[in-house]
Amino acid sequence: GAGVSQSPSNKVTEKGKDVELRCDPISGHTALYWYRQSLGQGLEFLIYFQGNSAPDKSGLPSDRFSAERTGGSVSTLTIQRTQQEDSAVYLCASSYQGVQETQYFGPGTRLLVL
Amino acid sequence: KQEVTQIPAALSVPEGENLVLNCSFTDSAIYNLQWFRQDPGKGLTSLLLIQSSQREQTSGRLNASLDKSSGRSTLYIAASQPGDSATYLCAVRPGMGAGNNRKLIWGLGTSLAVNP
Repeated sequence: GAGVSQSPSNKVTEKGKDVELRCDPISGHTALYWYRQSLGQGLEFLIYFQGNSAPDKSGLPSDRFSAERTGGSVSTLTIQRTQQEDSAVYLCASSYQGVQETQYFGPGTRLLVL
Repeated sequence: KQEVTQIPAALSVPEGENLVLNCSFTDSAIYNLQWFRQDPGKGLTSLLLIQSSQREQTSGRLNASLDKSSGRSTLYIAASQPGDSATYLCAVRPGMGAGNNRKLIWGLGTSLAVNP
């Protein structure tokens, strides 16, 4: 009965480097979401997966951001050439498609770009 | 464009008080509304989900109401405890007519401190 897990829990990187953030959703959950939470701001939707496809990528802030999901399970969010404004907590959530669709969140990855 | 506002931004109360957190949204065409709790350094925990056709949901000491026509929801916490201290977030899922309605629209949250 594991929940959503994310790794790493914290990441410090230098400006210009690439980073990969990982999300393991709850087993059997077909929907997966990535959000970003910046200091003093609300949660910002980034991307949504249904299975391995991403019908909604509208929240990705720039072409430096990309995400993929394989096997209908694990997802990776990649940020290329990181900038200081990318510093935030990146949250992943999953849900079992249905009427309720409660989203279950992971603990997040705190990213700090120096 | 749907916007979600939460008032107050912060609240500090003594243990045992009953309290109300407010959430308002600008577009009444919603699919559902959720209340979440966020503890420092941790992810979000879903507390209550109210479908657009429902008026309220209850779980233990928590009661959430929804008045879709006026664009308001309240989260009522009875007999508050220090363990209730956290940030409470309100999120709206737009109605089915709003294109892709998978994304939740979030408020900034109410930071609650319950003092022993």
